[in-house]
Amino acid sequence: GAVVSQHPSRVICKSGTSVKIECRSLDFQATTMFWYRQFPKQSLMLMATSNEGSKATYEQGVEKDKFLINHASLTLSTLTVTSAHPEDSSFYICSATSVGQARGNTIYFGEGSWLTVV
Amino acid sequence: GENVEQHPSTLSVQEGDSAVIKCTYSDSASNYFPWYKQELGKRPQLIIDIRSNVGEKKDQRIAVTLNKTAKHFSLHITETQPEDSAVYFCAAKIRDISNFGNEKLTFGTGTRLTIIP
Repeated sequence: GAVVSQHPSRVICKSGTSVKIECRSLDFQATTMFWYRQFPKQSLMLMATSNEGSKATYEQGVEKDKFLINHASLTLSTLTVTSAHPEDSSFYICSATSVGQARGNTIYFGEGSWLTVV
Repeated sequence: GENVEQHPSTLSVQEGDSAVIKCTYSDSASNYFPWYKQELGKRPQLIIDIRSNVGEKKDQRIAVTLNKTAKHFSLHITETQPEDSAVYFCAAKIRDISNFGNEKLTFGTGTRLTIIP
């Protein structure tokens, strides 16, 4: 079953506002979560790596002040798109890795969040 | 960083025939190569994976081969069915020393597979 839950699945916001997307690991502790962005008909592009209790590591070209990532607990990471613009409209998806013998290094993806900025 | 190239971008196959999708990667330190199937607006679904110490893996109609020397890996789907139609992504995982040793996935550009009934 689904072990990484992402919310909301769809969100529409006005240009200039901020929107928060949550990613939760439901039955395991995720010390590391990853945030991806996927534009229509394109691949998943890694935006940042989120480590519990520390600052996120952003990929080149991703504005850390615009895409705020918080990983305050072992089961929750949030992505906040600040001052959203229409070009930020995209499919945002998180993933988490469960480390250990029980699950191995399995990668679990959230359901994704469609963001539309109008 | 790691760079993953995927070909072809689109592939149409007659139902019952085989489909092959190929990927190359740039960093020889990559150690894990999953393949994902993604339907529109949904999360990627892992369909098969292979680790760097194995050359081939098969799961019913799906197989993956890995050539570490040439740094390429391929997905093979036999006896294709209409429900195989989707976008397929390859990926390569590498440990990022600059990022707490986190293992990052780099995705290929995707292949839209269409099975023609």
